[in-house]
Amino acid sequence: EVQLVESGGGLVQPGGSLRLSCAASGFSFSSYWMTWVRQAPGKGLEWVANIKYDGSDESYMDSVKGRFTISRVNAKNSLFLQMNSLRAEDTAVYYCAREDLKSFDMWGQGTTVTVSS
Amino acid sequence: DVVMTQTPLSSPVTLGQPASISCRSSQSLVHRDGNTYLSWLHQRPGQPPRLLIYKAFNRFSGVPDRFSGSGAGTDFTLRISRVEAEDVGVYYCMQTTQSKTFGQGTKLEIK
Repeated sequence: EVQLVESGGGLVQPGGSLRLSCAASGFSFSSYWMTWVRQAPGKGLEWVANIKYDGSDESYMDSVKGRFTISRVNAKNSLFLQMNSLRAEDTAVYYCAREDLKSFDMWGQGTTVTVSS
Repeated sequence: DVVMTQTPLSSPVTLGQPASISCRSSQSLVHRDGNTYLSWLHQRPGQPPRLLIYKAFNRFSGVPDRFSGSGAGTDFTLRISRVEAEDVGVYYCMQTTQSKTFGQGTKLEIK
């Protein structure tokens, strides 16, 4: 069974850091681009960042460039999102998703990040 | 950035009746490779989104055939031929032709 399980969310103060993880199973992780999507409370979906299957290419939404870093360890079937200089507007549920068919075909259950003092 | 605009934002429907949601992009979604990278996703309350339609009209594995996608260029439509109770939730269109952007979502609810 294809599964994505996020972890690492929590409450952090503005300016703080957090590292999200996504554990993949049930498919050949190293063959797929992977992505992070977030959803602020009561709001819609927002693409955050993605990374190529071998880690050689990554992209970010403008508002997180320079603050967030996406990475992966294929040997451990793991995806990460290092989030620094967090702001209140980064508060959201963060989903990891697999990219296939030029879409996001598999999603995790999400992990909640709350940035507040 | 490509802006995706969905209409309506809310759609009360009767069980067994059809429903449709429109999505318009601010630029053509035809990629230089000739494909149109427009997807539709469905999110039930408290759940992650799930893929319904990819490349404008291709139904994803396991998606009931009452769901269909159509459109080209900048105008797209998701249709549900006969709404069932499990179809409630929010529907999003998403383009991946130029970076990735979502529509604001359309809430489908039962009358």
